[in-house]
Amino acid sequence: ILNVEQSPQSLHVQEGDSTNFTCSFPSSNFYALHWYRWETAKSPEALFVMTLNGDEKKKGRISATLNTKEGYSYLYIKGSQPEDSATYLCAFMGTGNQFYFGTGTSLTVIP
Amino acid sequence: DAGITQSPRHKVTETGTPVTLRCHQTENHRYMYWYRQDPGHGLRLIHYSYGVKDTDKGEVSDGYSVSRSKTEDFLLTLESATSSQTSVYFCAISETAYTTGSSSEAFFGQGTRLTVV
Repeated sequence: ILNVEQSPQSLHVQEGDSTNFTCSFPSSNFYALHWYRWETAKSPEALFVMTLNGDEKKKGRISATLNTKEGYSYLYIKGSQPEDSATYLCAFMGTGNQFYFGTGTSLTVIP
Repeated sequence: DAGITQSPRHKVTETGTPVTLRCHQTENHRYMYWYRQDPGHGLRLIHYSYGVKDTDKGEVSDGYSVSRSKTEDFLLTLESATSSQTSVYFCAISETAYTTGSSSEAFFGQGTRLTVV
């Protein structure tokens, strides 16, 4: 069983605050790291797919970085809005074509 | 939205009965996955498929079997349902292929809520 860890488990922030989460994964047999956003009663939707060490991706106020040598990725949200409230999942893909998900970080943005 | 549908969306069944969940895709993606979602565990991989009749076990495969006789359909069967298999089941599809050097996102179905009583 492959260990993908996310921290913190949950987070409450005020509207307008910036925040970040961490995803830790094995540094061996790495192929890709994905970030997903999962709203209640919906299905997970992809935010970013990263494959190269040092990758940085950005979509609006959300960005992510990747360090494959030390096995971690950060997701940043700048100026959080209530609509950002969701669970954020990371998924590690190794060389076996399987996605291994972390348990997620639940974000609540308080208006 | 990616063309992926799960059926049924909800099911209540009795302990010891067989149950089959269906995942159907219209995207012609090669890879298909079954996950279960439980509080405190996130999404855990049950089985996955990398082609017609090509399947492999995930991290929580005990008590489950799968079949893929066509590209578009991936079936998950609980041979004899137990209360510990009460969960929400998600199917996902992807074109990700380490061997070809590409990595694309996974698309998820809407989930099937299964209750075993």
